[in-house]
Amino acid sequence: DGGITQSPKYLFRKEGQNVTLSCEQNLNHDAMYWYRQDPGQGLRLIYYSQIVNDFQKGDIAEGYSVSREKKESFPLTVTSAQKNPTAFYLCASRPGQGIPDTQYFGPGTRLTVL
Amino acid sequence: GDSVTQMEGPVTLSEEAFLTINCTYTATGYPSLFWYVQYPGEGLQLLLKATKADDKGSNKGFEATYRKETTSFHLEKGSVQVSDSAVYFCALSEKTGGSYIPTFGRGTSLIVHP
Repeated sequence: DGGITQSPKYLFRKEGQNVTLSCEQNLNHDAMYWYRQDPGQGLRLIYYSQIVNDFQKGDIAEGYSVSREKKESFPLTVTSAQKNPTAFYLCASRPGQGIPDTQYFGPGTRLTVL
Repeated sequence: GDSVTQMEGPVTLSEEAFLTINCTYTATGYPSLFWYVQYPGEGLQLLLKATKADDKGSNKGFEATYRKETTSFHLEKGSVQVSDSAVYFCALSEKTGGSYIPTFGRGTSLIVHP
């Protein structure tokens, strides 16, 4: 089945440690996105990538980093510089670069920093 | 910039009641409009969409009509079920600087009682 995989579903880390969240898609989509979701705040865009080896900052990129070395993969690293990293993180993809198609979302990773 | 405003929740209804969740938007051009649904602990999934003025999107008994004159895309369902309990997100997608970056509302929680 085609879809987006995020792993793990729950992640616990100690304060000051970097952590990488995985996002893989087998939909052959060009564009991929990372969002952060906090209660009552909806979705906030962290980073997005329209094509391999290229990505842009979203609204809340500080303290995060990404890479896009393969079309299928868009990992997100939450660095120790992110002041409040505990949140629900959602990865999404979209088919084309130039059309306003539907986004497809993964199941999310809940990160808790202790 | 673009923005989406949804009515605040939670919206609490009894089973078989009529549902309306209001959504208005601000955009510079002619965006596509979407409703996504998020069940507890999961990612978002597309509920319905409309790509031009006066289009009606529909799915699973839910409907929304793209009203350009009032910049609205209100979600309606004639008879809700307990299984409709979820968070509903209104979103738009418009071309900005060559890219389509979706903009989401804050989400409206729906609770349906038996």
